[in-house]
Amino acid sequence: GAGVSQSPSNKVTEKGKDVELRCDPISGHTALYWYRQSLGQGLEFLIYFQGNSAPDKSGLPSDRFSAERTGGSVSTLTIQRTQQEDSAVYLCASSLDRVTGPVQEWAQPQHFGDGTRLSIL
Amino acid sequence: GQQVMQIPQYQHVQEGEDFTTYCNSSTTLSNIQWYKQRPGGHPVFLIQLVKSGEVKKQKRLTFQFGEAKKNSSLHITATQTTDVGTYFCAGNTGGFKTIFGAGTRLFVKA
Repeated sequence: GAGVSQSPSNKVTEKGKDVELRCDPISGHTALYWYRQSLGQGLEFLIYFQGNSAPDKSGLPSDRFSAERTGGSVSTLTIQRTQQEDSAVYLCASSLDRVTGPVQEWAQPQHFGDGTRLSIL
Repeated sequence: GQQVMQIPQYQHVQEGEDFTTYCNSSTTLSNIQWYKQRPGGHPVFLIQLVKSGEVKKQKRLTFQFGEAKKNSSLHITATQTTDVGTYFCAGNTGGFKTIFGAGTRLFVKA
């Protein structure tokens, strides 16, 4: 019955280094989301996975950002050649599959991890 | 693209006063969700509204979904210090992608 787990909880690295952030979703959750939140700001959508595929990568800020999900479970968000503007809290969330009704369908509530606080020096 | 606007950005209230945050979407939504993020914490799901004109209550919190399914509000009656945090609305148009509003940060003075 564990929730969404993210690691590391904190990461400090030098500008130009690559970082890898990990997200372990709730078991059985089909959808997985990555968001970025700067201090005192809202949630910036980065990418979501439906199973292992990522239908929408439009939120990734640049080609330095990539993400993958394997086995319909764990996901990693990789940032290459980090820049200072990449400093933020990176949040992962997971949810059950969409609800499909007779007329419409909608996404289910998202369960968030505690995030990874990334600091680029 | 789809946008979800949320106002106000900040709200300072005296404990016991009421509080309302409003959410407006540029497109018709399938559903809208509300989340609360305590300072230093992560967003926590509060409620989901699906039907046009739907109203739901959770103790002192009242959530409304507009008739056109393009706007929503969260009203807190008689705020308490435990209500402090940022309240986000999140709109969905049927796919997996959900667009979050910028949030309303609530400050409650005892």
